[in-house]
Amino acid sequence: DTGVSQDPRHKITKRGQNVTFRCDPISEHNRLYWYRQTLGQGPEFLTYFQNEAQLEKSRLLSDRFSAERPKGSFSTLEIQRTEQGDSAMYLCASSLGLSPYEQYFGPGTRLTVT
Amino acid sequence: QKEVEQDPGPLSVPEGAIVSLNCTYSNSAFQYFMWYRQYSRKGPELLMYTYSSGNKEDGRFTAQVDKSSKYISLFIRDSQPSDSATYLCASGGYSGGGADGLTFGKGTHLIIQP
Repeated sequence: DTGVSQDPRHKITKRGQNVTFRCDPISEHNRLYWYRQTLGQGPEFLTYFQNEAQLEKSRLLSDRFSAERPKGSFSTLEIQRTEQGDSAMYLCASSLGLSPYEQYFGPGTRLTVT
Repeated sequence: QKEVEQDPGPLSVPEGAIVSLNCTYSNSAFQYFMWYRQYSRKGPELLMYTYSSGNKEDGRFTAQVDKSSKYISLFIRDSQPSDSATYLCASGGYSGGGADGLTFGKGTHLIIQP
């Protein structure tokens, strides 16, 4: 399968713990995006990378959130001191620079904070 | 007012019917328009990707964009029970969603009755 993959698929954590998610984009795609989706809502943009550079952050991305893409391939999204309001599906997408809006999504990581 | 508005439904139609799904958007900067299909607890799947106004057809799916009225439509012909899912419209362009982030509607839940 050459699509976008995400790991883990599900994560349950206690409030105050740190969590980290991983995304592996489609191999030839140089752009990688993170979105968050809550129940009954569409995905909301969080941040994106072109190669290893983080070029845009949404105001939704509080200082407890950090994302990296160290070698321009896979990316990680870390949430520190999780809160119950962080419970959501975290989606990763990738695209080619020539068609930035043609974004392909992974299966998502469902986070539950108890 | 959200930048992309979509009736959440549910929309229930009999198998074989033509389905019409619609969105409106408010930001004139949007130039790219997408439709995604999302099954429960899965990631969004890209169905249609269009630029500016006009129609685009792919199999049983037709996407239509009218920039003058800021109206986006997706038509599904010969609908099948397997088409039952949530359909998300999305727009791309320089907006509150970020330079390259997509702005999504809430999604319309579609049910095809056998």
